[in-house]
Amino acid sequence: DAKTTQPPSMDCAEGRAANLPCNHSTISGNEYVYWYRQIHSQGPQYIIHGLKNNETNEMASLIITEDRKSSTLILPHATLRDTAVYYCIASLSHNAGNMLTFGGGTRLMVKP
Amino acid sequence: DAGVTQSPTHLIKTRGQQVTLRCSPKSGHDTVSWYQQALGQGPQFIFQYYEEEERQRGNFPDRFSGHQFPNYSSELNVNALLLGDSALYLCASSLEAGVYGYTFGSGTRLTVV
Repeated sequence: DAKTTQPPSMDCAEGRAANLPCNHSTISGNEYVYWYRQIHSQGPQYIIHGLKNNETNEMASLIITEDRKSSTLILPHATLRDTAVYYCIASLSHNAGNMLTFGGGTRLMVKP
Repeated sequence: DAGVTQSPTHLIKTRGQQVTLRCSPKSGHDTVSWYQQALGQGPQFIFQYYEEEERQRGNFPDRFSGHQFPNYSSELNVNALLLGDSALYLCASSLEAGVYGYTFGSGTRLTVV
């Protein structure tokens, strides 16, 4: 799996968009970018994934640069419940059979 | 629809003892993975079970072993416990043929004293 680099922490005002960056400059052509988050005292929660195109679901949007060396997870209207550690993971396959390699993640603090 | 269920939620053991942690996967999922998460760090992959066999293994010693049952539930066993084994142990389930992310349980907090 390609190594990912994320800022250790970020703050965001409640109601504003939270933009979480991730660098994955060594990502290979068939590696996906996955985002998970972990709220205190819970297990990680899948958010979104993508390969080349930008993706959006009910939780977030994922913007992947054209060269695929970086991506941004966007929470459009952050709430206090979005306070969590966010993990960006580059991995070969989204299917079962492939382990997830977690880094340190970004600790997002949403403030009132 | 029940998600991943892990038991117990908390456990205290003494150095040298053995421990068994249990995991029931999300309904319909057939693959179970185990992760260890030390305080302040990201989860680290221990191993994965599919069709009752260990399919992948991370960088963990043989003291860590597991089992998957025909109903897809799984156990993680750790022998000769060390203080450094104190951590949150997470179980994640998925569908072998699926295209969606892993579903994690809330974990078992193991403290070795």
